[in-house]
Amino acid sequence: GAVVSQHPSWVICKSGTSVKIECRSLDFQATTMFWYRQFPKQSLMLMATSNEGSKATYEQGVEKDKFLINHASLTLSTLTVTSAHPEDSSFYICSASVSTDTQYFGPGTRLTVL
Amino acid sequence: QKEVEQNSGPLSVPEGAIASLNCTYSDRGSQSFFWYRQYSGKSPELIMSIYSNGDKEDGRFTAQLNKASQYVSLLIRDSQPSDSATYLCAVIERRDDKIIFGKGTRLHILP
Repeated sequence: GAVVSQHPSWVICKSGTSVKIECRSLDFQATTMFWYRQFPKQSLMLMATSNEGSKATYEQGVEKDKFLINHASLTLSTLTVTSAHPEDSSFYICSASVSTDTQYFGPGTRLTVL
Repeated sequence: QKEVEQNSGPLSVPEGAIASLNCTYSDRGSQSFFWYRQYSGKSPELIMSIYSNGDKEDGRFTAQLNKASQYVSLLIRDSQPSDSATYLCAVIERRDDKIIFGKGTRLHILP
């Protein structure tokens, strides 16, 4: 089956620093990658949709200048949380897809901002 | 506002019994429906997808869809302790072509 990796799997950082999370599709080329955020006991909330070579589309309420997304190739997308604050602590999950109906989720990245 | 509603649980079911998980959605334009299983601290994994009214069976899992009632359910037969997890209902609404997740139902299989 299709495999999506994320790196790092967990990260702890100080408030005000920036954190980069990588999402890779290992054995297929993904036309689209999605970034989700999940707070404890909450649902997955879509943050943004990115297509290779174009700007990401952000959901309402998600600050594009704070959550920088780069989709440099069909197998790699990165999410950078800039000037992270404790309220950004969450579980960040990416998914890669060839169609909306078929999404393969990465294992997630646990971000803790002190 | 488009919503996917699930009872948060926990739903406790004896081992070997049938677990029934329910989900309602608000947008009649929804066309694709999914059930994901999520273990604590892990990302979701797809269990079932269903697109047409009626039942769809895959091993111990049966998804049921009723578009008129805007209702989708998941039945797990012969429940096992390893089935203990949070089950997320997800819906794709045609207009936005985005997947919307419910908050999930926590299922606890009692050994």
